[in-house]
Amino acid sequence: GQQVMQIPQYQHVQEGEDFTTYCNSSTTLSNIQWYKQRPGGHPVFLIQLVKSGEVKKQKRLTFQFGEAKKNSSLHITATQTTDVGTYFCAGNPGGNQFYFGTGTSLTVIP
Amino acid sequence: NAGVTQTPKFQVLKTGQSMTLQCAQDMNHEYMSWYRQDPGMGLRLIHYSVGAGITDQGEVPNGYNVSRSTTEDFPLRLLSAAPSQTSVYFCASSAGWSNYGYTFGSGTRLTVV
Repeated sequence: GQQVMQIPQYQHVQEGEDFTTYCNSSTTLSNIQWYKQRPGGHPVFLIQLVKSGEVKKQKRLTFQFGEAKKNSSLHITATQTTDVGTYFCAGNPGGNQFYFGTGTSLTVIP
Repeated sequence: NAGVTQTPKFQVLKTGQSMTLQCAQDMNHEYMSWYRQDPGMGLRLIHYSVGAGITDQGEVPNGYNVSRSTTEDFPLRLLSAAPSQTSVYFCASSAGWSNYGYTFGSGTRLTVV
């Protein structure tokens, strides 16, 4: 069953507003990855977090891994229309599988 | 450098038919996997392979077979298509199963009628 939950499922923001999506696991994760999927496209790898409390930035995107390694977040500052898409987290509980969250679909209103 | 190539892009099958979805990568990646994507369900792992000759089941393996005779190719076989297998299928590859990001193919949209 689904081991990684992601909220919210949908988010509409005005261009320039901030956006955050949250990923929560019922079990401790070895690492977590984030992907972006544009409408009609395929998932594209963004980043991987491995360490407890880790924070990584990519321009306007900030990724965090929780201290307990059970949750993670992706924050986008000052959204742009190019940020439109669905953002997925994928958690690895330590086996050979990554469990994908259900995704957050971001709509940016110009 | 093509990355991960999936064929076909679209397919319509009748219930009970069989078919093979093709996946090839040219990055010499050891790890390859198949996911299906359904609305509201995210991506669910069907089967994966950690190297040529080695395959294992993921979350939703029933109704699907795989084989990995070469590093480059990882075909997914639907044995007897059912309407519940209507989905978008993605193949992905990675240099390693846990510490590297996945490169996804462009997907196959399958409809079973």
